[in-house]
Amino acid sequence: GENVEQHPSTLSVQEGDSAVIKCTYSDSASNYFPWYKQELGKRPQLIIDIRSNVGEKKDQRIAVTLNKTAKHFSLHITETQPEDSAVYFCAASRKSGGGADGLTFGKGTHLIIQP
Amino acid sequence: DAEITQSPRHKIIETGRQVTLACHQTWNHNNMFWYRQDLGHGLRLIHYSYGVHDTNKGEVSDGYSVSRSNTEDLPLTLESAASSQTSVYFCASTKATGRNTEAFFGQGTRLTVV
Repeated sequence: GENVEQHPSTLSVQEGDSAVIKCTYSDSASNYFPWYKQELGKRPQLIIDIRSNVGEKKDQRIAVTLNKTAKHFSLHITETQPEDSAVYFCAASRKSGGGADGLTFGKGTHLIIQP
Repeated sequence: DAEITQSPRHKIIETGRQVTLACHQTWNHNNMFWYRQDLGHGLRLIHYSYGVHDTNKGEVSDGYSVSRSNTEDLPLTLESAASSQTSVYFCASTKATGRNTEAFFGQGTRLTVV
């Protein structure tokens, strides 16, 4: 099955600086790569996703890049703000039978924004 | 507004007891999933369903069962709870459109087995 590795497990950056979180995946059939943000005690919420036919996607201060050959994808957050502090999860999945397989998640990155 | 809700939000049970966690969604999504979240492990897939009467095992299915008698509900049952099943459980749903789409998560159920 799919295996997703995520690094680093903890990332501390100064407010206003950029943050980068990296993930690798093992299953070359995976074609969908979402990123979820989870605040303490809350449910995971999708912040951005990318499909395998696209190399990069951007939404305001966040962007995701995908390298299918190397099987890795990254989340980039620019001009970080205190509200960006949370745990971020990458995930991967592949299409199956017309539906969506369950997601395989990385173990998470605790992003800390220092004032 | 359409929503996905879990109940109960918190539960404490004794080892060996049976417990069922409820998940209800009003989006009419075909795909529903159960994950458990543990520190250091992220979220791991327990069971999933593509529609009524369909169920499939995920990565960590031992000790858990699900049933899908209608589109809206996917209850998760622990037949004989063990301390290793202490965790936060999240239900999620997605549309079945032939393409992977956003998974919407419930609020979570914190289960403690003592």
